[in-house]
Amino acid sequence: ILNVEQSPQSLHVQEGDSTNFTCSFPSSNFYALHWYRWETAKSPEALFVMTLNGDEKKKGRISATLNTKEGYSYLYIKGSQPEDSATYLCAFALSSGGGADGLTFGKGTHLIIQP
Amino acid sequence: DVKVTQSSRYLVKRTGEKVFLECVQDMDHENMFWYRQDPGLGLRLIYFSYDVKMKEKGDIPEGYSVSREKKERFSLILESASTNQTSMYLCASSPPGSNQPQHFGDGTRLSIL
Repeated sequence: ILNVEQSPQSLHVQEGDSTNFTCSFPSSNFYALHWYRWETAKSPEALFVMTLNGDEKKKGRISATLNTKEGYSYLYIKGSQPEDSATYLCAFALSSGGGADGLTFGKGTHLIIQP
Repeated sequence: DVKVTQSSRYLVKRTGEKVFLECVQDMDHENMFWYRQDPGLGLRLIYFSYDVKMKEKGDIPEGYSVSREKKERFSLILESASTNQTSMYLCASSPPGSNQPQHFGDGTRLSIL
């Protein structure tokens, strides 16, 4: 079973502040790294899928970077807003011939934005 | 928008019962997945399917089976429910390839008494 670690486990941030958190994953046999946002009482929503070392993706105030050689990805939120409160999940896809392997998820970072 | 629909939001069953969780997607996706979410453990993959009648075990398949008779429907079956299968179950679908984002249903919170 693959090990995908996220830190911190939870985070309290003041509204307007910027924040970031980390996802660590195996650096061998990398295929893709996913980020999802999971708000309470809703379904997880895909933010980014990254496949290339050095990839940077951006969606509004949220961005992510990827380092496949050392096995980590950062998620950044600029100017946090109350609606950013959610659990952020990263998930690792193993290279196995490009088939439909499932993802291995981290336990998530629970982000709370305080007004 | 992709819609993944799980048949029940909440379900209560008894130990030993055979339980069916149904999932339907409307975007003609080849891949479908079943996960369970437990506090402190994150999402764990139970089974997935990349085509009709095809299935692959995930990380925790014991005590479960699946059925994919039609492309849009993926069923999770608890053959003989036990209390340790009390959990939140999430279904997801995606186009082919692990580099495609998965689209999730709202989840079924299953309690086994």
